[in-house]
Amino acid sequence: EDQVTQSPEALRLQEGESSSLNCSYTVSGLRGLFWYRQDPGKGPEFLFTLYSAGEEKEKERLKATLTKKESFLHITAPKPEDSATYLCAVQRGRRALTFGSGTRLQVQP
Amino acid sequence: GAGVSQSPSNKVTEKGKDVELRCDPISGHTALYWYRQSLGQGLEFLIYFQGNSAPDKSGLPSDRFSAERTGGSVSTLTIQRTQQEDSAVYLCASSRDNEAFFGQGTRLTVV
Repeated sequence: EDQVTQSPEALRLQEGESSSLNCSYTVSGLRGLFWYRQDPGKGPEFLFTLYSAGEEKEKERLKATLTKKESFLHITAPKPEDSATYLCAVQRGRRALTFGSGTRLQVQP
Repeated sequence: GAGVSQSPSNKVTEKGKDVELRCDPISGHTALYWYRQSLGQGLEFLIYFQGNSAPDKSGLPSDRFSAERTGGSVSTLTIQRTQQEDSAVYLCASSRDNEAFFGQGTRLTVV
């Protein structure tokens, strides 16, 4: 059974204080690992897809990396508008995505 | 529209009633997913349609839940004899190759 564990559950940062969110996964035959951002009352918004160990992708203050067992979402110099819940998901073959429970990030000015 | 559209955005129903939730995927997307998200929780997989293949129904929590996808496009999730524990946000997503794009969800409240 595919498993995704995200840590920490919640993270509070000061504006400009860089940090990382972790996503540990167990899946045989990983097709892709996905990061989403979810704001309250909204559907998840797609951020990144990573396909193989060693791959990295960046978007503004966010950088996602992937190893064979985990993925990190690095947030550099965060701003209050980066506050959201960040979700990680894995896909095995052409199956549905399995999601972790998310990390609630709060960035204080 | 360019995104995944779900309707209604909010639905309040009485316990025991049937409800239908609609999802209009992005045009050309062959895969369609339904997930459920309870307050403060992660996304729980319900059902997955991929092209003309038989749907993966392994996430449906009981036989009160069913879904269909007509003509490879619009999907309807039906919940029969609703219970209070069915209260949640129901999210639909569609995908062409890899990335899945989500709608804004239907917030279902069973009273």
